[in-house]
Formats: sequence, structure tokens, C-alpha cells
Amino acid sequence: QQQVKQSPQSLIVQKGGISIINCAYENTAFDYFPWYQQFPGKGPALLIAIRPDVSEKKEGRFTISFNKSAKQFSLHIMDSQPGDSATYFCAARPESYGNKLVFGAGTILRVKS
Amino acid sequence: EAGVTQSPTHLIKTRGQQATLRCSPISGHTSVYWYQQALGLGLQFLLWYDEGEERNRGNFPPRFSGRQFPNYSSELNVNALELEDSALYLCASSGYRDRESYEQYFGPGTRLTVT
Repeated sequence: QQQVKQSPQSLIVQKGGISIINCAYENTAFDYFPWYQQFPGKGPALLIAIRPDVSEKKEGRFTISFNKSAKQFSLHIMDSQPGDSATYFCAARPESYGNKLVFGAGTILRVKS
Repeated sequence: EAGVTQSPTHLIKTRGQQATLRCSPISGHTSVYWYQQALGLGLQFLLWYDEGEERNRGNFPPRFSGRQFPNYSSELNVNALELEDSALYLCASSGYRDRESYEQYFGPGTRLTVT
């Protein structure tokens, strides 16, 4: 069964702090790992993505770390801001199933000012 | 450049009825994906269409069906609605000439409520 497990379910961080969201997968080979940000009432927006041949990717305050051997990947939000308060989803694309995405359950992030 | 659009924004139906949801992809995108997001849950893959054909299907019963039109827009049909079909239905689009053009961009969703 294709599964991506995401933790924590919710997260409260002080303004200026680092927000860390973790995802893990098993049993399936995935070849693309995007992260999405979703605000209430909106569709998910692509934030940053990584391929498994790269261990880290940084875009502004957002960094993805990828550990292929451990089958884990994480999102770090540096200098977290109240405007970052949203639900974050990790996802993974199975190698053998075309372009579908398997999503984690989501993390509700609240940044306190 | 216009993003993915979906209609209607909200849809209220009675159990047993049929619902039709529509999606227009980003210009130039040939692939359309449908996902279900039930309250408090992650996104569950429903269907993937590319070049007018169904390419992949998630773990949903056959009463969930759809199609893609020659202009690449898509329609999701849900027959014999059940209460548990109440969810946000999200459409995404991507280019798909090969697996290199794969970023999926989502629309705002259609909120389906079944009473």
C-alpha cells in the first residue's frame, strides 16, 4: 500500500522560530517529493519540491531535507512568520503509477506573533 | 496567466442524486487530476486524465467517473451520492509529455455537501 506518514498533526511556533515538519514513506519507490501549502478556503499551492538524487534544496526561508536510506524527508521553515500559518502537506509520486501524488495527512502550522 | 479554475464553488445535493464538477486547466497543460479532501484529512487521489484518456484511478467506487474534453477541461461525475461523499474536490493540472513536466497546480476546489 502506498503511504506517506506526516508528523506532527499540528505545530505552534513563535514568530522568528524554525518550523519542522516530517514525512516518511515505506514499501514504495517514489521519485518526486513536493510540499504544498494550503490556506483556509483555498486550494493547495506548490511550495517547494525535491528529487531523490538531491539531499537538500533551499528556496528562500523554505528548505527540504531528504534522507533516501531512511525514506524520510522534511520541511524546515526558517524565521517563521504569522503569514506562514497554514496547513502543509507533503506528497510523493510513485515511480510506477504515472503522475499521481500520494499525500500525507497534513500539518496545521500556527505561528504566534 | 490564469490558474486552474473550478466550478461551481459550492454544490449542495441530496443523497442519491448525481453531482457534476468542472475544471479548466492552466493553458498549455494536458493533464488533469482529481483529488478528494474530506474534512480534516489529506488529499486522496481520484482520477488522472491526459490527452482525453483516463490514465490512472484511485481507490474509489465506479460511481466516481469523469472525462476530459478536447480542450483539456475535465468533468467529475459522482453518481448515487452518499453522505460520506461530502468533501472538497480539488482539480490539479500539469504538463505531461514525459515525466519531467510534472508539477501539479491546484484549483480552489468545489465544496460538495450531501444532505
